[in-house]
Amino acid sequence: DQQVKQNSPSLSVQEGRISILNCDYTNSMFDYFLWYKKYPAEGPTFLISISSIKDKNEDGRFTVFLNKSAKHLSLHIVPSQPGDSAVYFCAASEPREGGSEKLVFGKGTKLTVNP
Amino acid sequence: EAQVTQNPRYLITVTGKKLTVTCSQNMNHEYMSWYRQDPGLGLRQIYYSMNVEVTDKGDVPEGYKVSRKEKRNFPLILESPSPNQTSLYFCASSFSTRGASYEQYFGPGTRLTVT
Repeated sequence: DQQVKQNSPSLSVQEGRISILNCDYTNSMFDYFLWYKKYPAEGPTFLISISSIKDKNEDGRFTVFLNKSAKHLSLHIVPSQPGDSAVYFCAASEPREGGSEKLVFGKGTKLTVNP
Repeated sequence: EAQVTQNPRYLITVTGKKLTVTCSQNMNHEYMSWYRQDPGLGLRQIYYSMNVEVTDKGDVPEGYKVSRKEKRNFPLILESPSPNQTSLYFCASSFSTRGASYEQYFGPGTRLTVT
């Protein structure tokens, strides 16, 4: 059962336009959401996060929106740049016993920004 | 430079031959974790550690062992590798024992092939 779903395996956008990457989740116990970016032959790098008590978090060109009632979050990149071309992973965390957390990743969306 | 290092980066081995993938971080992070990435499955957690001598199973621990004798090192051990452990492996660390909801720093990955 996939708890974090990124239904679009790929997305192609023109440079300067907005990129919108979507993520749906099923577990209402998730209390924190993160986006990671991954370039080929590198490890994922943290991009932006949002707590479940918020509905928006912005960091420069990147904004994450959370709709708890719909169990949906999205990452907006404005304006998109060719260097943004990468695989983007949505991740959600759920508290575990003992004070740690369980982090569940989606399968990723490959973003291509065309010059 | 703050980083997570993994060795080796690439490894081809045969079924049943014990191997160890090393992971080291220089950020004095409490939390460390191992993930595997497989096509169509995203990133799945194998084991994690909240501190020295404290380790616990993630979602896919079967066939793996870990140890955390020092804060900076978190080796992944495959006692008897099998072909279904062919995968791309990532080590990650975070300053918070809560781990997942804080930024995790990932290593560059180890591509393992078991024949």
